[in-house]
Amino acid sequence: ELKVEQNPLFLSMQEEKNYTIYCNYSTTSDRLYWYRQDPGKSLESLFVLLSNGAVKQEGRLMASLDTKARLSTLHITAAVHDLSATYFCAVDPSYTGANSKLTFGKGITLSVRP
Amino acid sequence: NAGVMQNPRHLVRRRGQEARLRCSPMKGHSHVYWYRQLPEEGLKFMVYLQKENIIDESGMPKERFSAEFPKEGPSILRIQQVVRGDSAAYFCASSPQDRVRNEQFFGPGTRLTVL
Repeated sequence: ELKVEQNPLFLSMQEEKNYTIYCNYSTTSDRLYWYRQDPGKSLESLFVLLSNGAVKQEGRLMASLDTKARLSTLHITAAVHDLSATYFCAVDPSYTGANSKLTFGKGITLSVRP
Repeated sequence: NAGVMQNPRHLVRRRGQEARLRCSPMKGHSHVYWYRQLPEEGLKFMVYLQKENIIDESGMPKERFSAEFPKEGPSILRIQQVVRGDSAAYFCASSPQDRVRNEQFFGPGTRLTVL
């Protein structure tokens, strides 16, 4: 059974500092997704990582995927309050090239303080 | 282009009643997924449907839960004889026929409360 682990589960960040959060998964996959969720809201798609070594950047966030290590990182540059939210990674383990379900981690709640 | 639509947004039921949750996928999307989120947890997959077909229901409880995606109209997740443990947020996602990306877009969710 595929397991997706995120750590830490909660991170208090200081404004303008840099941080990295992690997503590990237990079986081979080359499709990984990052989502953001604000309290009481739905999930917003942030990044789609489709191959080993993939790197995507959007604003202060940069995501990368190492399929050999089964690890994705989300790097935050110069944190700002607007980034406070819960961030989920999700893995699609299918190799058929078909659409399929995603397995989610528990999420990491980021809180940016002045 | 409207996003994934779900209704109702909030639903309150008493134990033993039925809950019906609806999901209309994004225009052009033929794949629908239902997930459940308990407080302080990630999303757990329940069922994956295409029009008139259940593709994967491995996450669906064997009793009381059913899902459909008819040829016309929204996808429906039905929970019969609800119990307090069914209280959760239920999210629907849809994706286009894109086997490479399989990017799923989520609706606003239905928050079910069982009294």
